[in-house]
Amino acid sequence: VQLVESGGGLVQPGRSLRLSCAASGFTFDEYVINWVRQAPGKGLEWVSSMTWSRGKTYYADSVQGRFTMSGDIAKNSVYLQMDTLRPEDTALYYCAKSRSLAGSSPFDYWGQGTLVTVSS
Amino acid sequence: SYVLTQPPSVSVAPGETARIPCGGYNIGTKSVHWYQQRPRQAPVLVIYEDTNRPAGLPDRFSGSNSGNTATLTISRVEAGDEADYYCQVWDISSDQKFFGGGTQLTVL
Repeated sequence: VQLVESGGGLVQPGRSLRLSCAASGFTFDEYVINWVRQAPGKGLEWVSSMTWSRGKTYYADSVQGRFTMSGDIAKNSVYLQMDTLRPEDTALYYCAKSRSLAGSSPFDYWGQGTLVTVSS
Repeated sequence: SYVLTQPPSVSVAPGETARIPCGGYNIGTKSVHWYQQRPRQAPVLVIYEDTNRPAGLPDRFSGSNSGNTATLTISRVEAGDEADYYCQVWDISSDQKFFGGGTQLTVL
C-alpha cells in the first residue's frame, strides 16, 4: 500500500489549489480515503473523507463550502480542490487510507504529505 | 464538534510506564484510535478500536477506554518511543472525525 500526495505549493490568499493523492496496492473505492492536515508546529486536523463507492463526502467545519474531495477510479487517485484559500490553511496535507468503509475505522496508511503555503 | 483533550506533555524514565490520557464526553461509547508521530515523519497507527494493536507493533503498547477517558499505555518505555501521540475518534452525530491536541512523550 502506498499513497503519494502532490500539488502543494505557495498560493495567494483567495486563490485555489488542487491536491492529488495517487494510491497503489489497493483500490480506493473499497475504503474511506481521508485528508488530514498539520499546520507548522501544530497538531493533526482532519479535513475531509470520501467514500467513493457510496458517493459520500464529509468535511470539517473549517473547510466546509471551500474544499471539495473527489476521485478518479481509472487513475486510482483522489483529489482535494481547495478554493478561497486562507493563511490558516497553511499546512502539510496528508492523504490517509481508512482500514475499512466504516466511518469509525482508523487511518491505517498515510502518505508523506504535500505542503501548502497560503501567503501574499 | 467533539472535543478531545490531551496533556501537552508526559515525561517518563526509560523502563517505566507512560500513560497518556485522552478526555472526551462519553468517550467510552466511541471507538478510539491512537497515532504515534515522530519528528518529520507521517503518523503511524499504534492502537485502534480502543485496545487493538496493528500487526508487528510491540505488546508494550496497550489501550483502554471507559467513561470520559481513553488511555494509551506504553510499558517498559524506550528512547525510541519519544514522539507525539494523538487520539482520534469518529463522531456519528456529525459524521466528522476529530483528533486530540497531541501529547509529546519525553523519555528522560
